[in-house]
Amino acid sequence: EPEVTQTPSHQVTQMGQEVILRCVPISNHLYFYWYRQILGQKVEFLVSFYNNEISEKSEIFDDQFSVERPDGSNFTLKIRSTKLEDSAMYFCASSGPGQNTEAFFGQGTRLTVV
Amino acid sequence: AQKITQTQPGMFVQEKEAVTLDCTYDTSDPSYGLFWYKQPSSGEMIFLIYQGSYDQQNATEGRYSLNFQKARKSANLVISASQLGDSAMYFCAMREGNGNNRLAFGKGNQVVVIP
Repeated sequence: EPEVTQTPSHQVTQMGQEVILRCVPISNHLYFYWYRQILGQKVEFLVSFYNNEISEKSEIFDDQFSVERPDGSNFTLKIRSTKLEDSAMYFCASSGPGQNTEAFFGQGTRLTVV
Repeated sequence: AQKITQTQPGMFVQEKEAVTLDCTYDTSDPSYGLFWYKQPSSGEMIFLIYQGSYDQQNATEGRYSLNFQKARKSANLVISASQLGDSAMYFCAMREGNGNNRLAFGKGNQVVVIP
């Protein structure tokens, strides 16, 4: 069964460092997303990506964040200068076209900023 | 404003019993989709079931069914014949039909199945 894969599963980084979280969405999906979940809290939308550009972003997704689809398969989230409050589980998801398709999530990357 | 509300405290349910998880939502959009996801302790998000706002029948998917009451804006998840592996957080989410595909999540319901 096709699945969304994320690497790494865990990342520890020092405050101020740049991190890149990687995702391989399901191959025939058209929409790609990043969500985050701070420990013990609800899942929050960060950004959606369609047709090689950002289609929507939340107020959380400030200038520190960027996304890229560098080739036909990978989808990355970059955090330029990490802060302690960026510590969270980051989920990549993908979905097919249309409103009536579920988003499939990757297993997440747990980011810890120290 | 909260789009998805899940207010139940953590729940204990006996194995083989059914459990209902409450979810209410808020939207003025006539076209929307409702989703339930399961998050076990390992952390991944697993899609369970989907209900479209125009669907005439309640969605079912194996032991999962969705009690969709449109007028009350509720989309409760029913898990029948609970199993130990059902112990997890359960999140209700909504996608509005406004051209964006983002999911808005509730805070989740914790379920613990006891033997």
